[in-house]
Amino acid sequence: EVQLVESGGGLVKPGGSLRLSCAASGFTFSDAWMSWVRQAPGKGLEWVGRIKSKTAGETTDYAAPVKGRFTISRDDSNNMLYLQMNSLKTEDTAVYYCIPNWRSWGQGTLVTVSS
Amino acid sequence: DIQMTQSPSSLSASVGDRVIITCQASQDISKYLNWFQQKPGKAPKLLIYDASNLETGVPSRFSGSGSGTDFTFTISSLQPEDLATYYCQQYNNVPRTFGGGTKVEIK
Repeated sequence: EVQLVESGGGLVKPGGSLRLSCAASGFTFSDAWMSWVRQAPGKGLEWVGRIKSKTAGETTDYAAPVKGRFTISRDDSNNMLYLQMNSLKTEDTAVYYCIPNWRSWGQGTLVTVSS
Repeated sequence: DIQMTQSPSSLSASVGDRVIITCQASQDISKYLNWFQQKPGKAPKLLIYDASNLETGVPSRFSGSGSGTDFTFTISSLQPEDLATYYCQQYNNVPRTFGGGTKVEIK
């Protein structure tokens, strides 16, 4: 059974940084192209970015609103995915999900950017 | 970026009604469209992939059709447990993009 446990969310001031983690199990993590998706309170879903598998080059793609501020990385030896978020803005306030495919979702972790 | 225009943004229907939601892509996405259901406080759930394929375990009252730029999602007979927000999403191009959502309420 696929399990995804996101952590690291919390309250941070505008301009601050936060690193989210995602512990994955139940599938071959090293083969997975992992994505982050977010949802602002009361709003729709937004794709944040993805990281390909090592065999596919481990390259990353990002949505325009986060490009240059967010960095996705992975640790295949520990089945962990990370989202480093810098220069945070109030509009980054959202629940953040990590997903290996569109059918597997965790519970998400809430990031609140507020002064 | 591909824009996904979903309509209506909300609807209210009675149990047993047929519900139709449409999604239009700003450019050709072939068949690469998902439909999700999201209930309050829960993560999204994949219902339909590749525009028309029913995900395992999803009731057959849910269906999807379309290709290219125009897609339709149908609930053939609305049930009380279908109270949720539904999203379309394209995965033909990066960035992946979602429709704005359709909130389905029960009359």
